Amino acid sequence: GQNIDQPTEMTATEGAIVQINCTYQTSGFNGLFWYQQHAGEAPTFLSYNVLDGLEEKGRFSSFLSRSKGYSYLLLKELQMKDSASYLCAGSDSNYQLIWGAGTKLIIKP
Amino acid sequence: GAVVSQHPSWVICKSGTSVKIECRSLDFQATTMFWYRQFPKQSLMLMATSNEGSKATYEQGVEKDKFLINHASLTLSTLTVTSAHPEDSSFYICSARDTQGLWQYFGPGTRLTVT
Repeated sequence: GQNIDQPTEMTATEGAIVQINCTYQTSGFNGLFWYQQHAGEAPTFLSYNVLDGLEEKGRFSSFLSRSKGYSYLLLKELQMKDSASYLCAGSDSNYQLIWGAGTKLIIKP
Repeated sequence: GAVVSQHPSWVICKSGTSVKIECRSLDFQATTMFWYRQFPKQSLMLMATSNEGSKATYEQGVEKDKFLINHASLTLSTLTVTSAHPEDSSFYICSARDTQGLWQYFGPGTRLTVT
């Protein structure tokens, strides 16, 4: 079957670094997406990985290991506005997105 | 970048009435659109996949006669919640996939409250 696993909730301190992990099983694989979703809003795209390695985009980086079925989202220099849910989604052979349940990130001052 | 709009942004309706939500891709053609529902503090739940000119494919447990989906053009899909009940109150989000097939672009969502 297809499955995406990520932690339900994480807490971090403003200014620190946090890593949100995601493991995936999909029928075929056409990439791994990370989205950010603030309460009451639609998801917004953060990153996409299809090859192994690290993609860096400002304070956010995303890593993929296809052999391990594993990805992580790294957030640096955390700001209070980063408090949100972070959704991991795998694209299967039909380019259908398989969604994780989301990780709620709580930032404390 | 690609923009997807939804209308209305929020709607309050009485139990037993029907509500139509529109999803439009503004600057690209979308052969496939997706409808999601999200209850408070829960993740996105895919309701149905809509392909232009054909019948929507509904996920298990989603009543096709209650949630009517029409995708009559490459830029417009509609979701009609028929005979709405308070338990249908939720955040409904659409997304549109471009013709290349990889990217999904999300609309801003529609908050439905049924009283």
